[in-house]
Amino acid sequence: EPEVTQTPSHQVTQMGQEVILRCVPISNHLYFYWYRQILGQKVEFLVSFYNNEISEKSEIFDDQFSVERPDGSNFTLKIRSTKLEDSAMYFCASSEGVSYNEQFFGPGTRLTVL
Amino acid sequence: AQKITQTQPGMFVQEKEAVTLDCTYDTSDPSYGLFWYKQPSSGEMIFLIYQGSYDQQNATEGRYSLNFQKARKSANLVISASQLGDSAMYFCAMREFNTGNQFYFGTGTSLTVIP
Repeated sequence: EPEVTQTPSHQVTQMGQEVILRCVPISNHLYFYWYRQILGQKVEFLVSFYNNEISEKSEIFDDQFSVERPDGSNFTLKIRSTKLEDSAMYFCASSEGVSYNEQFFGPGTRLTVL
Repeated sequence: AQKITQTQPGMFVQEKEAVTLDCTYDTSDPSYGLFWYKQPSSGEMIFLIYQGSYDQQNATEGRYSLNFQKARKSANLVISASQLGDSAMYFCAMREFNTGNQFYFGTGTSLTVIP
């Protein structure tokens, strides 16, 4: 069964460093998403991406964040200058369409900012 | 106002018993979808069940059923015949199909199944 994959599973970085989180969505899906979950809290939407551009973003997704689909398979989230409060689990998701289709979540990347 | 409200931070259920996890939602969009996800301690998000706002019948998927009460804006998850492997966090989520393309998640309910 096709699945969303994410690398790395855990990333540790120093405050102020740039990180890139990678995701490979399901191949025939057209919509891609990033979410984050701070430890013990609810899942929060960051951004959705369709047709090579951002379709929606939350207030969390400020200028420190960017997304890219550099090739036909990868979908990346970049944090330019990490802060301590960026420590969280980051989930990538993809969906076939925008209607009733569920979003398939990847296993997540745990980001720890020291 | 919160889009999704889950009022039960923690629940306990005896193995083989049924349990209901509460979820209420807030939207003015007539077209929306309601989802339940399970998050075990390993951290991944596992889709359980979906209910569309225009669906006439309550959704069922194996031991999971969704008690959809549209007028009350509630979408409670019922797990029948609980198993030890059901112990996890459960998140209710909503998508509004006319007003955006994001999921709104609740704060989750931690379910513990007792042998």
